[in-house]
Amino acid sequence: DTEVTQTPKHLVMGMTNKKSLKCEQHMGHRAMYWYKQKAKKPPELMFVYSYEKLSINESVPSRFSPECPNSSLLNLHLHALQPEDSALYLCASSQALTGGGSGNTIYFGEGSWLTVV
Amino acid sequence: AQSVAQPEDQVNVAEGNPLTVKCTYSVSGNPYLFWYVQYPNRGLQFLLKYITGDNLVKGSYGFEAEFNKSQTSFHLKKPSALVSDSALYFCAVRAPARQLTFGSGTQLTVLP
Repeated sequence: DTEVTQTPKHLVMGMTNKKSLKCEQHMGHRAMYWYKQKAKKPPELMFVYSYEKLSINESVPSRFSPECPNSSLLNLHLHALQPEDSALYLCASSQALTGGGSGNTIYFGEGSWLTVV
Repeated sequence: AQSVAQPEDQVNVAEGNPLTVKCTYSVSGNPYLFWYVQYPNRGLQFLLKYITGDNLVKGSYGFEAEFNKSQTSFHLKKPSALVSDSALYFCAVRAPARQLTFGSGTQLTVLP
């Protein structure tokens, strides 16, 4: 079973709502990620945090706002989303990115299913 | 640049038969290669990875993969398929100091 926990599992929100997705890991990992996945497609990287600092933003629209309160928690704040933003949002974590970190395994959570109506 | 190709969208195999899910990659430098599996309505589960060393890598649930540098391939294999292996499989590559790049995925169906 995954050690990356995501809540909620399902979320339905209107286009004017503000909501948040939450992610927690207790593996001592110092890199955390948000991915977006459409049905039957590969995950698409959105954001990477390294040592609680935003390291990568893959040109994600500002209606998605990530936050890393501490080394175990990662949030994704959602505001004014569009129906095309409906997808599975996956949180993931790995050991540090630096010092040969590219070989570190990225572990995924079960995801949060988001529907924008 | 780095890329991964999974040439088969769908693979069907009979239960008890060996299975192979193909993956080829393109990367600058030494590659780090990964296989993940995704069951319906679930997240991605890590199966195995190649970093360095022995070209044959063994992973979870009886899966293994063989790294072939000359053919730039990293095919996933299992000697005897189970119905419960039916899932979506993703190959991924990561070059040093780069992020993970996924292939398009292969839907494996094991027929009873």
